[in-house]
Amino acid sequence: EAQVTQNPRYLITVTGKKLTVTCSQNMNHEYMSWYRQDPGLGLRQIYYSMNVEVTDKGDVPEGYKVSRKEKRNFPLILESPSPNQTSLYFCASRRTGQETQYFGPGTRLLVL
Amino acid sequence: AQKVTQAQTEISVVEKEDVTLDCVYETRDTTYYLFWYKQPPSGELVFLIRRNSFDEQNEISGRYSWNFQKSTSSFNFTITASQVVDSAVYFCALLKAGSYQLTFGKGTKLSVIP
Repeated sequence: EAQVTQNPRYLITVTGKKLTVTCSQNMNHEYMSWYRQDPGLGLRQIYYSMNVEVTDKGDVPEGYKVSRKEKRNFPLILESPSPNQTSLYFCASRRTGQETQYFGPGTRLLVL
Repeated sequence: AQKVTQAQTEISVVEKEDVTLDCVYETRDTTYYLFWYKQPPSGELVFLIRRNSFDEQNEISGRYSWNFQKSTSSFNFTITASQVVDSAVYFCALLKAGSYQLTFGKGTKLSVIP
């Protein structure tokens, strides 16, 4: 089944404790992206990657890191999480030349 | 800069009523794509439709229909004979051709009351 997977789906952590949210897709898509969703703000892009080893900032990159060492994986790294990073995070992917993005199931993060 | 406005924050309808969700967009580009996504209470984002800027033909899929009007920069979504399962947050989004950045509206929460 073609899909985007994220792990973990739920995470509670404390301020300053480094964490990684994994994202993987099995559709051989070149493009991958991370969004965060907050009440009243909709979805905002954090980082995106056009292909392996090629990444760029979205609208709200502060406090996040990404890497794209393999085509299928695009992890989101929070080096020192803070409470304002409490949010619902989505990973998405699409094939170059096609415009529709497909989203993972989301990761709910609570930073205490 | 691109912008998507969903002026209706929340809508409540009684089951079997028709409901229209509004989406107004701003862009200076001539080639772009518009999308609707559904987010049910379980939280995932489900792709509903994509429209490109050169195709103003309205589309119908079962109880769902979409009205794209470039003259008013609108891409409205109508659900006919709403059902409880339609209760969700609906997002409209805009993508400039060749861009990597999908711009979302803030969403409309639809509640269908039995």
